[in-house]
Amino acid sequence: KNQVEQSPQSLIILEGKNCTLQCNYTVSPFSNLRWYKQDTGRGPVSLTIMTFSENTKSNGRYTATLDADTKQSSLHITASQLSDSASYICVVSFYTGTASKLTFGTGTRLQVTL
Amino acid sequence: SQTIHQWPATLVQPVGSPLSLECTVEGTSNPNLYWYRQAAGRGLQLLFYSVGIGQISSEVPQNLSASRPQDRQFILSSKKLLLSDSGFYLCAWTQGIVSDDEQFFGPGTRLTVL
Repeated sequence: KNQVEQSPQSLIILEGKNCTLQCNYTVSPFSNLRWYKQDTGRGPVSLTIMTFSENTKSNGRYTATLDADTKQSSLHITASQLSDSASYICVVSFYTGTASKLTFGTGTRLQVTL
Repeated sequence: SQTIHQWPATLVQPVGSPLSLECTVEGTSNPNLYWYRQAAGRGLQLLFYSVGIGQISSEVPQNLSASRPQDRQFILSSKKLLLSDSGFYLCAWTQGIVSDDEQFFGPGTRLTVL
């Protein structure tokens, strides 16, 4: 069964600090992995995407890593800001032959405080 | 540029009542369209996807149905709502069928069944 597990479930950090979110997956066959940011009550927005051959991808203060051998990914947030408060969702994609389909993690809820 | 709309934004319905949620995409043609549900504390669950007008694939058995009467219109319906249908419903689209296409999400509909 395709699954994506994320940890921690929730995290509180002080503004300006760094943090790392974890994602483990069992999706097969693997196509790509995305990290999404979902503000409360809004749809998710893609932050990064990595294919099988990529092991790191940055988007500003967000850096994602991927170890396809161990099926693990992480999202590192540098110098956090209050606006980083959101849920971060790890999403693994596989291709059915007719459409891309996604398996979503339950997300990590990040709260950045003063 | 492409935009995706969903309405209503919030909905409170009694058990046993019908449901109709609408999603429209602007600025593109022949998109792949998706309906997801996000229950509290759970990851997004794919309900339906469509690769063209009148073509609907169902991912999970349930009392919901979907229709695509026009190229850029996707409708989620139910004849009789259950308490378990409460959740956050998201519509998404991709342009093509390749697995690295980003799925763009709408703003969502918060459905509460009482």
